[in-house]
Amino acid sequence: GQQVMQIPQYQHVQEGEDFTTYCNSSTTLSNIQWYKQRPGGHPVFLIQLVKSGEVKKQKRLTFQFGEAKKNSSLHITATQTTDVGTYFCAGKEDSSYKLIFGSGTRLLVRP
Amino acid sequence: GAVVSQHPSRVICKSGTSVKIECRSLDFQATTMFWYRQFPKQSLMLMATSNEGSKATYEQGVEKDKFLINHASLTLSTLTVTSAHPEDSSFYICSAWGGNYNEQFFGPGTRLTVL
Repeated sequence: GQQVMQIPQYQHVQEGEDFTTYCNSSTTLSNIQWYKQRPGGHPVFLIQLVKSGEVKKQKRLTFQFGEAKKNSSLHITATQTTDVGTYFCAGKEDSSYKLIFGSGTRLLVRP
Repeated sequence: GAVVSQHPSRVICKSGTSVKIECRSLDFQATTMFWYRQFPKQSLMLMATSNEGSKATYEQGVEKDKFLINHASLTLSTLTVTSAHPEDSSFYICSAWGGNYNEQFFGPGTRLTVL
């Protein structure tokens, strides 16, 4: 079945440093979504990417969808302590309505 | 975006009891609702998919007789954990899809602790 892998598992950065998490799917996706989950909270939708090679920006966050629609990345420029949390990608296949979540990357930011 | 609520937010129960968790879409009609389980420091694992008026579809390895799902209306789905045991302690999250939306909206989750 479809698998979505995410690396790294953890990232500990100094405030102001950049951060990137990568997501790889075993199958071609119709779209990929990114979520942020704060400690003790529930996943909050960040963005959805649909087109091959798509790049979207939200302030300091840049999201990319690979040309083959099998991988994606989230890059945060100049991290802040408010960026702390776990970032999940979630992929959806054309043939399915289900979202398959990646394992998540936990971001810790040292002030 | 749309709002999905879950009740209760936290529940502690004794081993052997059953616990019902409600998931409601507050401002749209949810054609489909999804139930996820998340163990500490792990990802969300899809347990089952429920469509209004029909039987839920369970993922491999999820016992349908233990995790009873009812999707009686377009705004309400319930998950009942029957004869709960300590290993069922987890964070249960629902999401809803439907209306004019092309994304799933997540509820705030229910933290279940079985003593």
